[in-house]
Amino acid sequence: EPEVTQTPSHQVTQMGQEVILRCVPISNHLYFYWYRQILGQKVEFLVSFYNNEISEKSEIFDDQFSVERPDGSNFTLKIRSTKLEDSAMYFCASSEGAETQYFGPGTRLLVL
Amino acid sequence: GDSVTQMEGPVTLSEEAFLTINCTYTATGYPSLFWYVQYPGEGLQLLLKATKADDKGSNKGFEATYRKETTSFHLEKGSVQVSDSAVYFCALVGKGQGGKLIFGQGTELSVKP
Repeated sequence: EPEVTQTPSHQVTQMGQEVILRCVPISNHLYFYWYRQILGQKVEFLVSFYNNEISEKSEIFDDQFSVERPDGSNFTLKIRSTKLEDSAMYFCASSEGAETQYFGPGTRLLVL
Repeated sequence: GDSVTQMEGPVTLSEEAFLTINCTYTATGYPSLFWYVQYPGEGLQLLLKATKADDKGSNKGFEATYRKETTSFHLEKGSVQVSDSAVYFCALVGKGQGGKLIFGQGTELSVKP
């Protein structure tokens, strides 16, 4: 069964450093998403991406965040200058239509 | 804005007990509704969904019915197993909202043998 994959599974970084989280969505899917889950809190929407552009973003997704689909398979989330409060589990998801989403296993980001 | 509210956890049950996890929502229009499950150390897996009123989603013995009149989508299972121990998330996607999932806070279920 096709699945969404994410790398790395864990990332530790220093405050102020840039991180890039990588995702490989399911191959025939057209819609891509990033969510995050701060420990013990709700899963929160960050951004959706369709047709090579952002279709919607949340208030969390400020100028420090960017997304890119650099080739036909990868979908990346970049945080330019990490803050302590960026520590969270980051989930990538993809969907064929703009509805039923399939999630990757997540990247646990720890900012020190 | 749209929102989802789930019953507080953790919920602790004995094996073979009946499970209900309550979920209510607030949304404009008629959203699609989902239950996702997160097993320890893993990501979110789609458990079931319903896209219109009175639809029943079902999978792995779990069921939930889309109730427009009570704006609810309660998750039920007749006989839980230890392997069902996980965190369960209710979520919605508003119609015409580009697929943004709005999640409830999650309900942790622990099933004891």
